[in-house]
Amino acid sequence: SQQGEEDPQALSIQEGENATMNCSYKTSINNLQWYRQNSGRGLVHLILIRSNEREKHSGRLRVTLDTSKKSSSLLITASRAADTASYFCATDAITDSWGKLQFGAGTQVVVTP
Amino acid sequence: EAGVTQFPSHSVIEKGQTVTLRCDPISGHDNLYWYRRVMGKEIKFLLHFVKESKQDESGMPNNRFLAERTGGTYSTLKVQPAELEDSGVYFCASRGPGNSPLHFGNGTRLTVT
Repeated sequence: SQQGEEDPQALSIQEGENATMNCSYKTSINNLQWYRQNSGRGLVHLILIRSNEREKHSGRLRVTLDTSKKSSSLLITASRAADTASYFCATDAITDSWGKLQFGAGTQVVVTP
Repeated sequence: EAGVTQFPSHSVIEKGQTVTLRCDPISGHDNLYWYRRVMGKEIKFLLHFVKESKQDESGMPNNRFLAERTGGTYSTLKVQPAELEDSGVYFCASRGPGNSPLHFGNGTRLTVT
């Protein structure tokens, strides 16, 4: 079964709007990370939130984590065309070593000018 | 600093042939990981090197896959013989010491026909 599952699978918005995507996972984790992948490129690390944190901000990104519900959300505010990409959440279980991540299937975000 | 580089970017081979993928991590990164995304599914962990040693190879699908990291610098992932289900994108990532985030390469897109 998947550890991280994103919702929605695809999201289409206009520039200036906010984009919200969710991630659910199954096992106990050390931390949860969000990555972005532009078409044909590698994954770029966006933000990490530890299991004892509930909210974190980085620029236009806001991440929340609810360990009781085993879920996280990523909010991108004031979206830009350059934010068009696939976004993945990734978790590392408390039983695994750092760096051994379990990814969800991703949310494909399209931001139109 | 130069990022993680992977070669080739694309490879098309026939079933039964052999393919070798190469990954050059960021200089000085002892930790090197291989991941793959098959058929649009989630990105899956394959294995983890610390320097030249295999720390965790629990994600390797079968014995047709062989990963090496002689000298603790670049790594190769050989698939022999390739099967149709091996098609996908193979990502390499590296990280520095401590609990630092992973830096991913752009991936190698492997197509087995």
